[in-house]
Amino acid sequence: DTGVSQDPRHKITKRGQNVTFRCDPISEHNRLYWYRQTLGQGPEFLTYFQNEAQLEKSRLLSDRFSAERPKGSFSTLEIQRTEQGDSAMYLCASSLALAGGHGELFFGEGSRLTVL
Amino acid sequence: AQSVTQPDIHITVSEGASLELRCNYSYGATPYLFWYVQSPGQGLQLLLKYFSGDTLVQGIKGFEAEFKRSQSSFNLRKPSVHWSDAAEYFCAVEGRGAQKLVFGQGTRLTINP
Repeated sequence: DTGVSQDPRHKITKRGQNVTFRCDPISEHNRLYWYRQTLGQGPEFLTYFQNEAQLEKSRLLSDRFSAERPKGSFSTLEIQRTEQGDSAMYLCASSLALAGGHGELFFGEGSRLTVL
Repeated sequence: AQSVTQPDIHITVSEGASLELRCNYSYGATPYLFWYVQSPGQGLQLLLKYFSGDTLVQGIKGFEAEFKRSQSSFNLRKPSVHWSDAAEYFCAVEGRGAQKLVFGQGTRLTINP
């Protein structure tokens, strides 16, 4: 399968623990996005990378959240000291955008976080 | 503030009936416009998009959407739905130069046999 893959698909943790999600984009894609989706809502933008550079972060991304894309390939999203309000589906998407234009986003199936 | 509104949270139609899902946006200038579908356990899939030109755009799975600048709308339509169309549908916009999608809250579509 050559789509966007995310791991783990489901994570259950206790409040206060740290969690990390991984996203492997489509190999030739230069952009990688993280979104968060809560029940009954549309996805909300968190952050995006162009190659290894993190170009934009939403105000939703508190200082407990950090995302990296160290070699411009896979990305990790870490949440420190999880809170119950962090329970959500974390979606990763990638795209091939040329010369600042729009590239179609391809989404992974998401990583569902449940904080007890 | 920039926003996307899908007024209908849940719609039920009978198989074979026509479908229209509503989407309104509030942006300073005409953004790029998209419709995505999300089935249980599946990633979001792009149905169609509007960048410019012909205001009636065709997508996959027999869907189409019409951009109406005067109404700031981009409604999704299908002439005859199939049971497999049951899913969550999201309208999304991207401001020109913004590099990120803003999604509506979604419309859940249920199909009656």
